[in-house]
Amino acid sequence: GDSVTQMEGPVTLSEEAFLTINCTYTATGYPSLFWYVQYPGEGLQLLLKATKADDKGSNKGFEATYRKETTSFHLEKGSVQVSDSAVYFCALTGDYKLSFGAGTTVTVRA
Amino acid sequence: NAGVTQTPKFRVLKTGQSMTLLCAQDMNHEYMYWYRQDPGMGLRLIHYSVGEGTTAKGEVPDGYNVSRLKKQNFLLGLESAAPSQTSVYFCASSSFGQGTSPLHFGNGTRLTVT
Repeated sequence: GDSVTQMEGPVTLSEEAFLTINCTYTATGYPSLFWYVQYPGEGLQLLLKATKADDKGSNKGFEATYRKETTSFHLEKGSVQVSDSAVYFCALTGDYKLSFGAGTTVTVRA
Repeated sequence: NAGVTQTPKFRVLKTGQSMTLLCAQDMNHEYMYWYRQDPGMGLRLIHYSVGEGTTAKGEVPDGYNVSRLKKQNFLLGLESAAPSQTSVYFCASSSFGQGTSPLHFGNGTRLTVT
């Protein structure tokens, strides 16, 4: 079935560092791809999405490009802040449901 | 604007006890979902509903039941709790299917079964 694999964490960075979280997917059709973020003590919230190949999703300084040729949707941010500390989930639509990756915990130190 | 509200926030049960988790949304969404979140496993779909009066099984439905008697509420029941059901439970809703519109999540219920 459809599935998502994302890089394991935890990831610890200093403020203003560059962040990349790798995400690859397996799907039989043409899924939509998402990044959700979970801040401490809260539920998940949509960070960005892309619905077709070569689309770039962006929000709050984060970007991800839907790469069909490499089946990837890597999340990037050029200069992270302490407030970006959270768990990040890659997800895709497939079958009847949204499939989530295991999540990557990111901690940004001042 | 409350969004998605889950009650309770925390609960401790003994093996064999029963309980109901309540999810309420005020966005008039058709679709509602129950997920469980376990370390290293991401979120897994337990049950979902595509409208009032409808329910369907997700990825891990065993040991759980649900009801959607009113459009704004989605209840998750555990009839006989087991330690394997220790988890954080999230409710979510969306206006359309999961690929078309974003999910709005509640803040979760942390359940411990001893």
